[in-house]
Amino acid sequence: GAVVSQHPSWVICKSGTSVKIECRSLDFQATTMFWYRQFPKQSLMLMATSNEGSKATYEQGVEKDKFLINHASLTLSTLTVTSAHPEDSSFYICSARGRDAQETQYFGPGTRLLVL
Amino acid sequence: GQNIDQPTEMTATEGAIVQINCTYQTSGFNGLFWYQQHAGEAPTFLSYNVLDGLEEKGRFSSFLSRSKGYSYLLLKELQMKDSASYLCAPMDSNYQLIWGAGTKLIIKP
Repeated sequence: GAVVSQHPSWVICKSGTSVKIECRSLDFQATTMFWYRQFPKQSLMLMATSNEGSKATYEQGVEKDKFLINHASLTLSTLTVTSAHPEDSSFYICSARGRDAQETQYFGPGTRLLVL
Repeated sequence: GQNIDQPTEMTATEGAIVQINCTYQTSGFNGLFWYQQHAGEAPTFLSYNVLDGLEEKGRFSSFLSRSKGYSYLLLKELQMKDSASYLCAPMDSNYQLIWGAGTKLIIKP
């Protein structure tokens, strides 16, 4: 149980284009989903937290107009990187958690984004 | 502030036992998670401690002392596939996980 999928696993795009990443909880209802970014050999950096049906809460320094998050259902959240630039190239990972705030966060396999 | 202190890197031998220590300071505390992260992959959940003491789960055990702000992950009968980074992640009063850089564990034959 507690499986989270992410799609796509890899994406290469040109600078200026937008990229959408999907995160799905396959066997549980994810009241809360989290979006992280991780650069090589660095720690996970939380970008935003989203609760189903409400607006995402962004961490300080994360541009909400650039990283659009939609948590439309209890099993799906999407992250859209708008007008991507080479510095946005990174490993994007989502995680999902059930209704209880102390529940375990289960991670998706991640999406590698390369912006040329 | 909130911070986590873990060794950057550890080396151990296949078949041996290794203990990865973690000390933390958080604003409030709602338990502590350990995750394993292989290179190039996302983290996977290993254990959760909210009360003091030892939680055993197969070859892996995790210990917590809330008064000391201290936890450790104990890995027994090490296998080559255990080579990975191990992330200690306490949960603060806002139920946010606090992430450090983790400990890179290298297993040698």
